[in-house]
Amino acid sequence: GAVVSQHPSRVICKSGTSVKIECRSLDFQATTMFWYRQFPKQSLMLMATSNEGSKATYEQGVEKDKFLINHASLTLSTLTVTSAHPEDSSFYICSARDRTGGREQYFGPGTRLTVT
Amino acid sequence: QKEVEQNSGPLSVPEGAIASLNCTYSDRGSQSFFWYRQYSGKSPELIMSIYSNGDKEDGRFTAQLNKASQYVSLLIRDSQPSDSATYLCVRVPMRFGAGTRLTVKP
Repeated sequence: GAVVSQHPSRVICKSGTSVKIECRSLDFQATTMFWYRQFPKQSLMLMATSNEGSKATYEQGVEKDKFLINHASLTLSTLTVTSAHPEDSSFYICSARDRTGGREQYFGPGTRLTVT
Repeated sequence: QKEVEQNSGPLSVPEGAIASLNCTYSDRGSQSFFWYRQYSGKSPELIMSIYSNGDKEDGRFTAQLNKASQYVSLLIRDSQPSDSATYLCVRVPMRFGAGTRLTVKP
């Protein structure tokens, strides 16, 4: 149980374009999902907390107009990187918290974004 | 001061030994902690959670929490080469330590 998927697993896009990443909880409902970014050899950095049916809460320093988050259902959250630039190249990971469970978060497999 | 601090390592132990991973945190109000394991290029996977003072054991893993000292640790008994990974100490609300890279040598 507690499986989280992400799609796509890898994406290469050109500078200036937008990329959408999907995060799904497959066998549980998640009222809260989280988006992280991880640069090589660094720890995960929380970007935003996504709550179903409401606006996401962004961490300090994360541009909400650049990283659009939508959490339209209890099993799906999306992150759209708008007008991507090479410095946005990173490993993006989502996690989800089971609405019926504890405070643990279950992580998706991650999406490696490369902006050329 | 970082909210969650870990020694980045690398920590190297021989196969079969006990690996001891340590973590300190700054927010005295923190109540919940997790240990995650992350293999290179992969997402973190949950190993254990600990919410109360003392020890919590799960198989070869033992988590220890000392709220007075603001200290969390993870012990891995009978370490295996497959345990080689980066171990992340996490407090709730989710703040990650930088991780300790563990290498278990056969």
